Amino acid sequence: DAGVIQSPRHEVTEMGQEVTLRCKPISGHDYLFWYRQTMMRGLELLIYFNNNVPIDDSGMPEDRFSAKMPNASFSTLKIQPSEPRDSAVYFCASWKQGAFNEQFFGPGTRLTVL
Amino acid sequence: RKEVEQDPGPFNVPEGATVAFNCTYSNSASQSFFWYRQDCRKEPKLLMSVYSSGNEDGRFTAQLNRASQYISLLIRDSKLSDSATYLCVVLTGNQFYFGTGTSLTVIP
Repeated sequence: DAGVIQSPRHEVTEMGQEVTLRCKPISGHDYLFWYRQTMMRGLELLIYFNNNVPIDDSGMPEDRFSAKMPNASFSTLKIQPSEPRDSAVYFCASWKQGAFNEQFFGPGTRLTVL
Repeated sequence: RKEVEQDPGPFNVPEGATVAFNCTYSNSASQSFFWYRQDCRKEPKLLMSVYSSGNEDGRFTAQLNRASQYISLLIRDSKLSDSATYLCVVLTGNQFYFGTGTSLTVIP
């Protein structure tokens, strides 16, 4: 398996623009997590899905952030409109409950909002 | 109170040294425990799971004390390649909780 795939790897955009981050989890994994990492706040959970259903979105900073998982092999995290304080590395991770419990991370998307 | 707390360091140690990282967690119902390693500008990757009986993987030893809600990682004979951030991770229910990470630099 190729592991968790994220795109784009880097995104530079201007304040006010819409940003869409994409994730393909490992096949067969039933959980998908979106995290944000900054130097100041560390790794923060934004939202997670179980079998494509959002379970907990309490970490989503505000209404500008939205996430979807239309099927088991694809998820998006959208920021509209983007702001400079959204600059961070966004990780997607997937997990198969009960199977050794290891959570696998994608390589991340490094977002810079100017 | 944070779910997982660990000393952020940084730890700067010479090659060959032994270094220990500690971590505490707040929820006694947590069921699984891990140490992840994160290299600069990379994603976190599993270093090792932590079991109640303690477990060893080469130069790395992890221990769990459920009564004290305390997790540790010991690295013996440090190598330059061990330089990274080490994240303490706790699984509670279906959610993973991450510590802020401890930075380690091994100096030649």
